[in-house]
Amino acid sequence: DQQVKQNSPSLSVQEGRISILNCDYTNSMFDYFLWYKKYPAEGPTFLISISSIKDKNEDGRFTVFLNKSAKHLSLHIVPSQPGDSAVYFCAASLSYNTDKLIFGTGTRLQVFP
Amino acid sequence: DVKVTQSSRYLVKRTGEKVFLECVQDMDHENMFWYRQDPGLGLRLIYFSYDVKMKEKGDIPEGYSVSREKKERFSLILESASTNQTSMYLCASSSVTRVSYEQYFGPGTRLTVT
Repeated sequence: DQQVKQNSPSLSVQEGRISILNCDYTNSMFDYFLWYKKYPAEGPTFLISISSIKDKNEDGRFTVFLNKSAKHLSLHIVPSQPGDSAVYFCAASLSYNTDKLIFGTGTRLQVFP
Repeated sequence: DVKVTQSSRYLVKRTGEKVFLECVQDMDHENMFWYRQDPGLGLRLIYFSYDVKMKEKGDIPEGYSVSREKKERFSLILESASTNQTSMYLCASSSVTRVSYEQYFGPGTRLTVT
């Protein structure tokens, strides 16, 4: 039972345009969400996070939006750069078990010139 | 600068061999985790440990065991490697006193079982 879903396995975007990566979840007890970026042959690195008490968090070119009623979050990258090409994982944390993260299946983003 | 290191980047083992994957973190973190990453399946938690000598099963513990004798070190053991354990193995750590819920990952070990 996949509690965190990334329904698009891949996304291709032109450099300079916006990249939108989506994530859906099923468990209403998730109260904290994170995005990680992973390059080939490297471990995932933390990108940005959002608490369930917020609906938006911004850090430079990266913005995460949370729609609790729809159980949906998205990561916007503006403008997209070739160095953003990587696999992106969303992850969620339960309010009663904050030590564990539940990860999505990942979306491979390719930014082309 | 936070650091999680894994003993090998690439490993090739034969079916039936006993395999040890080692992970060391230098951040004095209480929590340590082992995941495997497979295409289309994302990161799946194998085991985690919230203290020395403490362990808890994750989502896919079958065929694996772990050991945590020291706070900074967390080992994953494949008692008898099988081909379906060919995967990328990722170790992570986190602090219970963290400001965010971020986990810090090592570079991964690509294990091939033939």
